[in-house]
Amino acid sequence: AQSVTQLDSHVSVSEGTPVLLRCNYSSSYSPSLFWYVQHPNKGLQLLLKYTSAATLVKGINGFEAEFKKSETSFHLTKPSAHMSDAAEYFCVVSDGSSNTGKLIFGQGTTLQVKP
Amino acid sequence: GAGVSQSPSNKVTEKGKDVELRCDPISGHTALYWYRQSLGQGLEFLIYFQGNSAPDKSGLPSDRFSAERTGGSVSTLTIQRTQQEDSAVYLCASRTGTGASRYGYTFGSGTRLTVV
Repeated sequence: AQSVTQLDSHVSVSEGTPVLLRCNYSSSYSPSLFWYVQHPNKGLQLLLKYTSAATLVKGINGFEAEFKKSETSFHLTKPSAHMSDAAEYFCVVSDGSSNTGKLIFGQGTTLQVKP
Repeated sequence: GAGVSQSPSNKVTEKGKDVELRCDPISGHTALYWYRQSLGQGLEFLIYFQGNSAPDKSGLPSDRFSAERTGGSVSTLTIQRTQQEDSAVYLCASRTGTGASRYGYTFGSGTRLTVV
């Protein structure tokens, strides 16, 4: 069965410093992995996706993630945090065990950006 | 439409009442999903539609929950005899294609349901 584990429920950084949000996955299949962001009282927005092409994936707003099969990780990074990055971030895997394509979400990481 | 539209955005209902939540997916998207986001439970899959059929209803928490989709477009999630534990944000997502997908999904802004 597929699953994702977000290793930190809360991350706090100062504006202008790097961001690292950690995610480990478990999958019996070649996984499709995503990062979504949710700002307060807003819907989910796709940041980036990994679909077995390049292992370093670039997304919107300067975020990127690296797929590491040996470590079963898909950590999200950004070189320099901006105040507008404060939000909830979800690591997500697409269920490859069924033919539905349903998404399995991690528990989320709240990113706080301090001025 | 340009995005996934959900209505109402907020719903407050009394315990025991029935509610209907609506999702209008992106035009042409054949796959439609309902998820529930609640405190302590994170984001949970409820049901998957491909066209008008629902090949995966495994996430519906009880028989008080049902959903339908008509014309391969609009979907309605119905909760009968609402309970306080049904309070959550209900999210709808759509995408093109069938079966397992390697592509992202477009989510609506959700319906925040509060049962009092």
